[in-house]
Amino acid sequence: RKEVEQDPGPFNVPEGATVAFNCTYSNSASQSFFWYRQDCRKEPKLLMSVYSSGNEDGRFTAQLNRASQYISLLIRDSKLSDSATYLCVVNSRTGANNLFFGTGTRLTVIP
Amino acid sequence: GAVVSQHPSWVICKSGTSVKIECRSLDFQATTMFWYRQFPKQSLMLMATSNEGSKATYEQGVEKDKFLINHASLTLSTLTVTSAHPEDSSFYICSAAEMSGSFYNEQFFGPGTRLTVL
Repeated sequence: RKEVEQDPGPFNVPEGATVAFNCTYSNSASQSFFWYRQDCRKEPKLLMSVYSSGNEDGRFTAQLNRASQYISLLIRDSKLSDSATYLCVVNSRTGANNLFFGTGTRLTVIP
Repeated sequence: GAVVSQHPSWVICKSGTSVKIECRSLDFQATTMFWYRQFPKQSLMLMATSNEGSKATYEQGVEKDKFLINHASLTLSTLTVTSAHPEDSSFYICSAAEMSGSFYNEQFFGPGTRLTVL
């Protein structure tokens, strides 16, 4: 079983729409959770960390459910510039600090 | 955020040659750097963890004699792909992590190196 699993999409949504991405992880001992954004042929960039209490940054809201080993990202009022691949990332190795990446979910926001 | 650079950004080489990729942390000291590989339409796969002054830790299935990693200083790690073949063509990305207590927080990624082996 993969460490991190994501729906690869693609998600094609109109501007202004709300879109949600989900991710599951296999290791219940995972410590840290992140959403990264990767544009085509570029390196990943941190979008936001994910905390148990949930956290929000502008139009972006991240949620973590440890019991279900499930992470979500909600994007409200989608902009054209939100078009990218969103990577769910988990620190999954107890005692070490390595990140495991999901395959990413491709989002295209349409005018 | 912190800045990580990689050089070269892209390279084309003949089969059988060796290619060295440099990863530098420009504004912080990175005791640990990570090397990833990404094939088209696939996720980043961790290849190895590079610790300053010691041997790298390779992930299962990654040949340490083929992918030589050197981390001689706190700001520089190098990955050498020895005797490269077309199947080694990929996007190679390094990252460096800052520590918070005993854990790493955000990993800062270099811009990546696109390797094409003919």
